[in-house]
Amino acid sequence: AQKITQTQPGMFVQEKEAVTLDCTYDTSDQSYGLFWYKQPSSGEMIFLIYQGSYDEQNATEGRYSLNFQKARKSANLVISASQLGDSAMYFCAMREATSGTYKYIFGTGTRLKVLA
Amino acid sequence: GAGVSQTPSNKVTEKGKYVELRCDPISGHTALYWYRQSLGQGPEFLIYFQGTGAADDSGLPNDRFFAVRPEGSVSTLKIQRTERGDSAVYLCASSPTGGPYNEQFFGPGTRLTVL
Repeated sequence: AQKITQTQPGMFVQEKEAVTLDCTYDTSDQSYGLFWYKQPSSGEMIFLIYQGSYDEQNATEGRYSLNFQKARKSANLVISASQLGDSAMYFCAMREATSGTYKYIFGTGTRLKVLA
Repeated sequence: GAGVSQTPSNKVTEKGKYVELRCDPISGHTALYWYRQSLGQGPEFLIYFQGTGAADDSGLPNDRFFAVRPEGSVSTLKIQRTERGDSAVYLCASSPTGGPYNEQFFGPGTRLTVL
C-alpha cells in the first residue's frame, strides 16, 4: 500500500537561508509521481513541484527543488533563499501509475515558519 | 482563467441533517477529485471522477457519502445523516486528465461544521 511519511511537524528557517523538508514514501509500484503542495493559512493548496519516478534528474522550479533519492524512497523539498511568504504548511503527495488506483496520498505535512 | 470554485465556503449544520457541497472545476478538466482534510492532517482522498463516472470511490468512508458529476463538469458531494465526525474542510481538485503525473488544481474548500 502506498504511504507518505513527513517526520517534521514544524521547522524554522531564517529569511534568505535554505531549508529542506523531508518526505519518505512507500510503494510497490514501479511507476509513480511525487508532488509537493503548499497550504498557506488561507487554506488553498498550491502546487509547487513534481517528480516522476522515471526522472533521473531532480526537478527544479524556481526556488524549489526536489531531492529525489529513489533507492532510499525519499523526495525531500529544498527551498532556497527563504522568504517570509514561504511560511505555510507543506505537503508531500504521491500517486501510483500502474497499480490501478487513482488516489493521491498525502503526508501529514510540515509547518514552516520563516523568521525575519 | 477561473480556478476551481467551491460553494458554500462555510456550512454549519445539525447532526442528522443532509448537506450538499458543490465544486466547479476548471473548464475542460476531465478529472475531478474530492478530499477531506481534518485539522492538522493532510488531505484524505474520497472519490475521483473521470468525466461523468466515478472511476474510484474507494475513499468514501461509508454509504452516507455520495457524489455525482452528471454532465462531466460541476460535481456535488452529498452527505446524509451528518455526524459530528464529518466536520472537516472538504477540498475539490481538478486536473486536465486523470493521468498520474498531473498536478491537481485545488479549490478553496468548504468548511463543514456539524453541531
